[in-house]
Amino acid sequence: GAVVSQHPSWVICKSGTSVKIECRSLDFQATTMFWYRQFPKQSLMLMATSNEGSKATYEQGVEKDKFLINHASLTLSTLTVTSAHPEDSSFYICSARDGAGGEEKLFFGSGTQLSVL
Amino acid sequence: GENVEQHPSTLSVQEGDSAVIKCTYSDSASNYFPWYKQELGKRPQLIIDIRSNVGEKKDQRIAVTLNKTAKHFSLHITETQPEDSAVYFCASPASGGSYIPTFGRGTSLIVHP
Repeated sequence: GAVVSQHPSWVICKSGTSVKIECRSLDFQATTMFWYRQFPKQSLMLMATSNEGSKATYEQGVEKDKFLINHASLTLSTLTVTSAHPEDSSFYICSARDGAGGEEKLFFGSGTQLSVL
Repeated sequence: GENVEQHPSTLSVQEGDSAVIKCTYSDSASNYFPWYKQELGKRPQLIIDIRSNVGEKKDQRIAVTLNKTAKHFSLHITETQPEDSAVYFCASPASGGSYIPTFGRGTSLIVHP
């Protein structure tokens, strides 16, 4: 199946700094990627839909200036958590669909555990 | 994306028993129904999906059934094994066009040896 690579796997940062998370589709082109946030023992909460070459679409309650999404190519989307605070600590995970195949199947990155001190 | 309601939130079974997890949806135009499995600390992975032109799909010990009239789809795991222990999510069905998948709240399945 398709492979989605996500880096870093974990990151610890100081409050007030910014953190960038990368999501790459390795063997397919992903016109659309999705970013989710997951708290322990909870479901995947959709944060935003990342569209190649255009602005991301954010879900209600998600601050677009706080969580910057860039999808500059068909294989790379990045999520930048700006001015991170302890409440931003969470597991962030991206997913992508193989747009060329018209598939609905999602392929997930391995996730990034963010800890803000 | 469309909201889905998933039940139960936790399910504890003995090894060898069957497990059933159910999700309900509201969009009658939905035509794609997936289930994902997430083991502890790992990424979710698609384990089975079904399209609305069939009522049931089976892959070894797992199966998905679809009831379009009642608007629900269920995951069935037979002869459960300890390695089936994980969190299972249904994703919101797709109905063509732009598909934005959201997820049910998840079911934590525990299979006791």
